[in-house]
Amino acid sequence: NAGVMQNPRHLVRRRGQEARLRCSPVKGHSHVYWYRQLPEEGLKFMVYLQKENIIDESGMPKERFSAEFPKEGPSILRIQQVVRGDSAAYFCASSPRQESPLHFGNGTRLTVT
Amino acid sequence: AQTVTQSQPEMSVQEAETVTLSCTYDTSESDYYLFWYKQPPSRQMILVIRQEAYKQQNATENRFSVNFQKAAKSFSLKISDSQLGDAAMYFCAYRSNNNDMRFGAGTRLTVKP
Repeated sequence: NAGVMQNPRHLVRRRGQEARLRCSPVKGHSHVYWYRQLPEEGLKFMVYLQKENIIDESGMPKERFSAEFPKEGPSILRIQQVVRGDSAAYFCASSPRQESPLHFGNGTRLTVT
Repeated sequence: AQTVTQSQPEMSVQEAETVTLSCTYDTSESDYYLFWYKQPPSRQMILVIRQEAYKQQNATENRFSVNFQKAAKSFSLKISDSQLGDAAMYFCAYRSNNNDMRFGAGTRLTVKP
């Protein structure tokens, strides 16, 4: 029973490039969350999705950031035209239903040079 | 949106002693779920304990227990018989009825041998 799989584990991008972060939730989980963590800081909520729907994107910057969770395939967090301030660890989590705790992936560490 | 506050950025405890980590939250809901997660240096997010708001009894998991005060909107974590492996960042989290999940800023726990 695989847990939440995130890839890549590390991603290096130059300023202005695009970053695509992938998350495969636990099989059967329909709720997916993305969080951002800066060094020595907590998890900042970005977006909450259910299959094909964005439920809450209040934590996501209005520009350059987008997320999707298609009917088939992994959830994707996309950052266009990356800047140095986007460097962080991005965590994906999933759960089957409300009362269940979130299962976390190991994160993708994005470095923008 | 709900907010979660952890007022102790850092705490330390002597091995085998007891330590309590504080967490308060702000909500107008009556039904929700509360969690404590642990993040060791490996960066993996590990569920420590969870509490359903409708349950009056405090949750307990081996050496970990909570003091849930619903009226005060307080959810503290007590770690008894602290071990070196307990050293980590600890995050308090609130999950609302609409599945929105938010985290506090974290408390870094150091365990002294």
